[in-house]
Amino acid sequence: GIQVEQSPPDLILQEGANSTLRCNFSDSVNNLQWFHQNPWGQLINLFYIPSGTKQNGRLSATTVATERYSLLYISSSQTTDSGVYFCAVELNNNDMRFGAGTRLTVKP
Amino acid sequence: SQTIHQWPATLVQPVGSPLSLECTVEGTSNPNLYWYRQAAGRGLQLLFYSVGIGQISSEVPQNLSASRPQDRQFILSSKKLLLSDSGFYLCAWSVGLENEQFFGPGTRLTVL
Repeated sequence: GIQVEQSPPDLILQEGANSTLRCNFSDSVNNLQWFHQNPWGQLINLFYIPSGTKQNGRLSATTVATERYSLLYISSSQTTDSGVYFCAVELNNNDMRFGAGTRLTVKP
Repeated sequence: SQTIHQWPATLVQPVGSPLSLECTVEGTSNPNLYWYRQAAGRGLQLLFYSVGIGQISSEVPQNLSASRPQDRQFILSSKKLLLSDSGFYLCAWSVGLENEQFFGPGTRLTVL
């Protein structure tokens, strides 16, 4: 089956730093989403991005579908950015596969 | 706007007891509905999805079952819980062909 690999698995930043999270997938997909899971477990939609680039405030994402990867950029990180970031890819027939996540800790 | 509810928020059950988790969506019609499980410190695993009333697809063989008795209601059940059923259960919905999924707050299940 399809493999979804996220890197790095853990990331510790000082507040104000920038970071790039990566998601590689092993096969063609219908779409790709990035989520942030907060400390209470809530999954928050960040981007729906099957291809191209999108920006939302300090966050932006780029998906290069032909090369099977997506990047999530976080600029000027804040302590509230801490949590786990997941990418998820959709195969055919509503089948959604998640990566193992990147655990981000932003220190004040 | 659309909202998704799950209950209960937390649940502690003994091994061998039955389970019923409920998920309801408001503000949309004919949603696709999904049940996921997240083990501690790991990613999400798709358990079931439904594209309509009475239509359930299962992704992995397991001790659980799902039902969709109404358009915006999705229920996850078990007749006898196992220790390995412990985890964080998340319900999600989507509409249309784009299938952008939105998640509920989750139920944290501990089986003792």
